[in-house]
Amino acid sequence: GAVVSQHPSWVICKSGTSVKIECRSLDFQATTMFWYRQFPKQSLMLMATSNEGSKATYEQGVEKDKFLINHASLTLSTLTVTSAHPEDSSFYICSARDLTVSLSSYNSPLHFGNGTRLTVT
Amino acid sequence: GNSVTQMEGPVTLSEEAFLTINCTYTATGYPSLFWYVQYPGEGLQLLLKATKADDKGSNKGFEATYRKETTSFHLEKGSVQVSDSAVYFCALSEGGGADGLTFGKGTHLIIQP
Repeated sequence: GAVVSQHPSWVICKSGTSVKIECRSLDFQATTMFWYRQFPKQSLMLMATSNEGSKATYEQGVEKDKFLINHASLTLSTLTVTSAHPEDSSFYICSARDLTVSLSSYNSPLHFGNGTRLTVT
Repeated sequence: GNSVTQMEGPVTLSEEAFLTINCTYTATGYPSLFWYVQYPGEGLQLLLKATKADDKGSNKGFEATYRKETTSFHLEKGSVQVSDSAVYFCALSEGGGADGLTFGKGTHLIIQP
């Protein structure tokens, strides 16, 4: 079945550096991908909606200059955490909508990646 | 804004016990409701969904009924198995899912043999 591959699964970086997380749809094209963040014992919070070929739409309170999203192709979206700080440590999850099942986003399934555990030291 | 509240875990049950995980929601419109499951080491998978009031979603022995009057979407299973051990997330989406999902905090379910 459809799979969303997220890479890396975990990363440790030093404060001030940037980290890129990739989200790939492996056997379907995804015009829309979503990026979520999950803090321990909290729910997944939608950060932004990534649309192929256009700018991402960010949720209120999410800094677009801090979390750079690029959706350059129908199978790849990337999230770059720039100048990471310890408070950015979290679990980041992407999801992609499979429109090959149905052109209606109402019925098309949503597939999730396995997530990326980011730890900033 | 939208929100989802679900019972916090962990919930520990014996095999073959009856399961209920409560979920209530707040939404401005008429959302679609979902239950997602995350098995250890895997990504979220859609378990079931309901798109309008009184709809019942079901899959793998799990079911949940969209109750508009109580704004609830409780997950139930008559007889749980060890393999059901996972984290379960209740979620909603307005616009049929064209937008992102609003998730509950997740409920960790542990089934003991």
